[in-house]
Formats: sequence, structure tokens, C-alpha cells
Amino acid sequence: EIVLTQSPGTLSLSPGERATLSCRASLTLTTDYLAWYQVRPGQAPRLLIYGSSRRANGIPDRFSGSGSGTDFTLTISRLDPEDFAVYYCQQYGRSPSVTFGGGTVVQIK
Amino acid sequence: QVQLVQSGAEVKNPGSSVKVSCKASGGIFSSYAMGWVRQAPGHGLEWMGGIIPIFSTADYAQKFQGRVTISADESTSTVYMELSSLRSDDTAVYYCARAVLTGDLSNAFDIWGQGTMVTVSA
Repeated sequence: EIVLTQSPGTLSLSPGERATLSCRASLTLTTDYLAWYQVRPGQAPRLLIYGSSRRANGIPDRFSGSGSGTDFTLTISRLDPEDFAVYYCQQYGRSPSVTFGGGTVVQIK
Repeated sequence: QVQLVQSGAEVKNPGSSVKVSCKASGGIFSSYAMGWVRQAPGHGLEWMGGIIPIFSTADYAQKFQGRVTISADESTSTVYMELSSLRSDDTAVYYCARAVLTGDLSNAFDIWGQGTMVTVSA
């Protein structure tokens, strides 16, 4: 099973600042099947990025994904107040192989 | 646009089973994989397994093998997740979700149900 390690565990930033979240895989993802989700309290996860860098429908362009192999990054260029939430990365290799990272909390400084 | 509506909250005794439903409306159902993901209180997201309704093929995370059954009814555009031998640490919100791309059981998920709270308590 591929283990995803997210860092940092918590990110304390102010609205308008740039957020950089990291996700490291224990094995190389040969197909860049890496996604990012936003989870707000009491809400279902929201897909932001899939295929490492493809924005999902309706996702603002302040969200961007990059990376390949074992190292992936989610960048939020300018934090909006609604962006303070928990973010998870997910890899989706050959079935049955779907795993999530432990999450990064983005909180208001 | 596809919407997923899940069944209501459940309270179960340890050792029993729970079956959660997820009904799709408003779009294509059968050719997309449907996954089940849970989130226990204070914990992260955990993939349990999935199914492609048109093929009725299901796969499960190793952790849940033998304890979970995922099925689909194409005639009603509904998928089901049944978890047996419930324990207190199965207390969680259970989500169904539709894959963003057709074909693969292992997938990212772009459309989610509202979640079903399952509480396991004596």
C-alpha cells in the first residue's frame, strides 16, 4: 500500500497570503494519479485537483497542483477566508489502491 | 448534474451490520465508478472500496476485506455499502462519491453524497 505523508500538519497564515502544502508518496506514482480535496467542518470533501495538476470543475484558479513521482504540491496563491479548512491528498493507482494522506490544517493566523 | 442522496443516520449495536444507500439522479450513473469513503470523528479520510455499476465489479480496501460489501442496482441508480461485525471504531460519517473519470475503480471523486452518520454503541 502506498502511504502518503502530508506536511506541514498545520499551516497558520493570514488571508491574502500564499499557502504551499506538500504530499509525499512512499512509492513512485507512475501515472501521477494524485488528487487534492478540501474539507470544511460538517461538509463533504470537495475535489480541487486531480491528475496532479488538473483543476476540477468550478475550482478557482488560485488553486494549483504540481509534482510527479513521489513529491506533489498544492498551492493556494492568495488565501480567501473560505479557504481555511483541512486539505487531503489522495493517490489512486491500480485498484484496489486508493489512499489518502493524513491532512493539512490551514488555519487563520 | 449528478446528485447523490444518501440514506439517513443509523445507530447500531456492536456486532451488527449496517447498510447505507446512495441514490444518483440527474446524470450518467452506470459507467462511472462509485466509491465509499469514511471519516471517523477527529480522523482523516479512508477509502473503503468501490464499484462500477455497469460491470457490477467491486473492489475493497484490504482493511475491510471480508467485512464490507458494495453493490449496485442500475434500475434505481442506487449503490449500497454494507458493513458487518460493527465495532465502536466504525463510528464515522460514510460518504458515497462518483469518480471524476470513467473506467477505473481507483479514481478521484468529484461528486459526493451528503454523508451518513453511523454510530456504533451499546
